[in-house]
Amino acid sequence: GDSVTQMEGPVTLSEEAFLTINCTYTATGYPSLFWYVQYPGEGLQLLLKATKADDKGSNKGFEATYRKETTSFHLEKGSVQVSDSAVYFCALRDQGGSEKLVFGKGTKLTVNP
Amino acid sequence: DADVTQTPRNRITKTGKRIMLECSQTKGHDRMYWYRQDPGLGLRLIYYSFDVKDINKGEISDGYSVSRQAQAKFSLSLESAIPNQTALYFCATSIPGLAGGAGEQFFGPGTRLTVL
Repeated sequence: GDSVTQMEGPVTLSEEAFLTINCTYTATGYPSLFWYVQYPGEGLQLLLKATKADDKGSNKGFEATYRKETTSFHLEKGSVQVSDSAVYFCALRDQGGSEKLVFGKGTKLTVNP
Repeated sequence: DADVTQTPRNRITKTGKRIMLECSQTKGHDRMYWYRQDPGLGLRLIYYSFDVKDINKGEISDGYSVSRQAQAKFSLSLESAIPNQTALYFCATSIPGLAGGAGEQFFGPGTRLTVL
């Protein structure tokens, strides 16, 4: 079945550092891809999305590009802030009957001032 | 006001008790989902529903049941709670991923359930 693998955390960075969180997927066809963010004590919020190859999703300074050839959707941000501290989940939308989201295990990011 | 709400937000119960978690949405979406989150495991699908008359099992439905009382309401029940059902539970809604849309899901704030 479909699966998502994302880099293990935790990741600790200093403010203004460059962030990359790797995500690769296994799926039949070309599923929609997502990054969700979970701030402490809160639910999941959609951060960005992409629906087809070479699409770039972007939001709040974060970017990810749908790479069909490498089946990847890596999350990047050029300059992180303390407020970006959260758990980040990569996900794909299952193309079977449920259209469920298949999630990676999450990467916890801590940004220090 | 939040589009997807869950009640209660926190619940502590004992082994063998029946528990109901409720989810309501004002987004007008037909599709609703229940997920469970465990540390280091991401989220896993328990049940989903595409409309009031449609209920489907997800990958970890054993020990759970659901009820879709209306388009806007989808409840999850644990008939006889056990400690390994201690987890964070999320409700989500979506529209179909048609016409080039991504089909993203919108999540409630979660219910933290502890079974002693």
